[in-house]
Amino acid sequence: EIVLTQSPATLSLSPGERATLSCRASRTVSNYLAWYQQKTGQAPRLLIYGASNRATGIPARFSGSGSGTDFTLTISSLEPEDFAVYYCQQHSNWPITFGQGTRLEIK
Amino acid sequence: EVQLVESGGGLVQPGGSLRLSCAGSGFTFSTSWMHWVRQAPGKGLVWVSGIKSDGSTTSYADSVKGRFTISRDNAKNMFYLQMNSLRAEDTAVYYCTRNIGAADTHWGQGTLVTVSS
Repeated sequence: EIVLTQSPATLSLSPGERATLSCRASRTVSNYLAWYQQKTGQAPRLLIYGASNRATGIPARFSGSGSGTDFTLTISSLEPEDFAVYYCQQHSNWPITFGQGTRLEIK
Repeated sequence: EVQLVESGGGLVQPGGSLRLSCAGSGFTFSTSWMHWVRQAPGKGLVWVSGIKSDGSTTSYADSVKGRFTISRDNAKNMFYLQMNSLRAEDTAVYYCTRNIGAADTHWGQGTLVTVSS
């Protein structure tokens, strides 16, 4: 099983600041890596697929990068609605796995 | 508009069974991989099971293998998760998802399964 390790566990920032979230895979997943945003009581929302492609309707302030084992989700300038939990997920190998999540909170 | 609607959740005793259903609309159901993902209260997302578009291939997380069975009916745009021998640790919100990780990923709103005596 491919283990995805996200860091940091919690990130405290202010609106307008830049957020950088990391996801590291225990072995290569090529670019079969997605990022999701989840708010309390809601289903996850796809942000990024294929490591670096923004999903439909996702604002340009969200960007993804990386390939192989190291990936980054960057939010260039935080808006109030961006404070949530973020998960990475790989679908390179069975079983599909998720990272444990990064909580982005308001400082 | 793509919609995925789960049903069938509820309270069940340990050792009991439950069948979850997911109805899909607004997309070509018969060409989509479908998956179940669960989230225990206050915890992260865990993939449970997936089934290929034509039903020919299925896969399960080790934690549910031998207890859960995924299936689909493309004629009805429905897919299912039969859950047997339920345990307290199966308590979670169960989400149905389409083409997880791909550009056309969609998620339902989830159905809560509570395993408790």
